[in-house]
Amino acid sequence: QKEVEQNSGPLSVPEGAIASLNCTYSDRGSQSFFWYRQYSGKSPELIMSIYSNGDKEDGRFTAQLNKASQYVSLLIRDSQPSDSATYLCASGTAGKLIFGQGTTLQVKP
Amino acid sequence: GAVVSQHPSRVICKSGTSVKIECRSLDFQATTMFWYRQFPKQSLMLMATSNEGSKATYEQGVEKDKFLINHASLTLSTLTVTSAHPEDSSFYICSASFSSVHSNQPQHFGDGTRLSIL
Repeated sequence: QKEVEQNSGPLSVPEGAIASLNCTYSDRGSQSFFWYRQYSGKSPELIMSIYSNGDKEDGRFTAQLNKASQYVSLLIRDSQPSDSATYLCASGTAGKLIFGQGTTLQVKP
Repeated sequence: GAVVSQHPSRVICKSGTSVKIECRSLDFQATTMFWYRQFPKQSLMLMATSNEGSKATYEQGVEKDKFLINHASLTLSTLTVTSAHPEDSSFYICSASFSSVHSNQPQHFGDGTRLSIL
């Protein structure tokens, strides 16, 4: 069964620190990877997409992909209390997404 | 950015009622729409994938006669929960994408519908 694994957390970091979120996936055929942010009671919001090995930066966010290790990560620099949410990692194959269970991030002022 | 509208945002109704949820892509034509459900503190579980003009593809364990999906146009998909019971209470979320089986574009989510069956 195709799976995406995340540590459920919570991951607690102080304001201004770097938050590092990790994800592994089982399907070597996965071609695309996404990070979504979900606030409590809300629907997921796309933060980053990454398709090839290496780093991709967008503002305070950096996604990293290592297909050989089947590993995806998200770094959040200068973490803010408003970043406190659940972060969902998803892998895409044949037009469908498989989601991890999410990591809860708490950024403390 | 891609905007997906979902309506209604909350439904509270009696057991046995059928509930219809609409999902619209407002500023793009969605090749594919997806329906998910999410229980508290759990991740999103894909229920079905729908393509305009064709029958929906349901995930294993999802009753197609219970969860009716219609995808009448490239901008509208509906999910009807028929004869809903308390165990159907959940957060239902739709998403839309340009994806096909040959590509993997991001999915853009609606705001979700919180369904409570009394």
